[in-house]
Amino acid sequence: EAGVAQSPRYKIIEKRQSVAFWCNPISGHATLYWYQQILGQGPKLLIQFQNNGVVDDSQLPKDRFSAERLKGVDSTLKIQPAKLEDSAVYLCASSVVLDNLAFFGQGTRLTVV
Amino acid sequence: GENVEQHPSTLSVQEGDSAVIKCTYSDSASNYFPWYKQELGKRPQLIIDIRSNVGEKKDQRIAVTLNKTAKHFSLHITETQPEDSAVYFCAASHSSASKIIFGSGTRLSIRP
Repeated sequence: EAGVAQSPRYKIIEKRQSVAFWCNPISGHATLYWYQQILGQGPKLLIQFQNNGVVDDSQLPKDRFSAERLKGVDSTLKIQPAKLEDSAVYLCASSVVLDNLAFFGQGTRLTVV
Repeated sequence: GENVEQHPSTLSVQEGDSAVIKCTYSDSASNYFPWYKQELGKRPQLIIDIRSNVGEKKDQRIAVTLNKTAKHFSLHITETQPEDSAVYFCAASHSSASKIIFGSGTRLSIRP
């Protein structure tokens, strides 16, 4: 079974630039999560989708972050404009609906300089 | 909202000894508690989980216990080995398809 795919693996941008991350969940997984993991901390949930609908985005900084999952499969997370404090690993995870067993992708390491 | 506290933040044990990591949660409705292991530069990997209808679950050298009354759960690793060195995260969620909240992590080091 293929795992959660994310790209790119690494990204370096200057502050105030924009960046986008892509995630392809495990086939058949209706629930998709985006987490932000700052160095030395636990993953923090940014947004959760159920199919193409948003279940929870209470922790998403909506003035600069946006995410979509238009067809209920792939998802993109965008930051515009980026700040230094956005430097982190962005993890995508997915799970089967009615089950919280979440599988993580390799993550995208973002460095904002 | 749900909050998960994890202790200790770092733990060093002699190879062969046991390691215990403890977590507490705030939402009494939480009913699913997974544990993840994250090696340096890699993705979090689920190592064991427990649901609220049981008090303990074992898988070889790893066990998790849950005390719903006290709202705490623990990870126990016995006969530790060098490959157990990693950061361990506890997490909690309270219903199917609800958000999973993570603890701050424990960096476990196994001394040879």
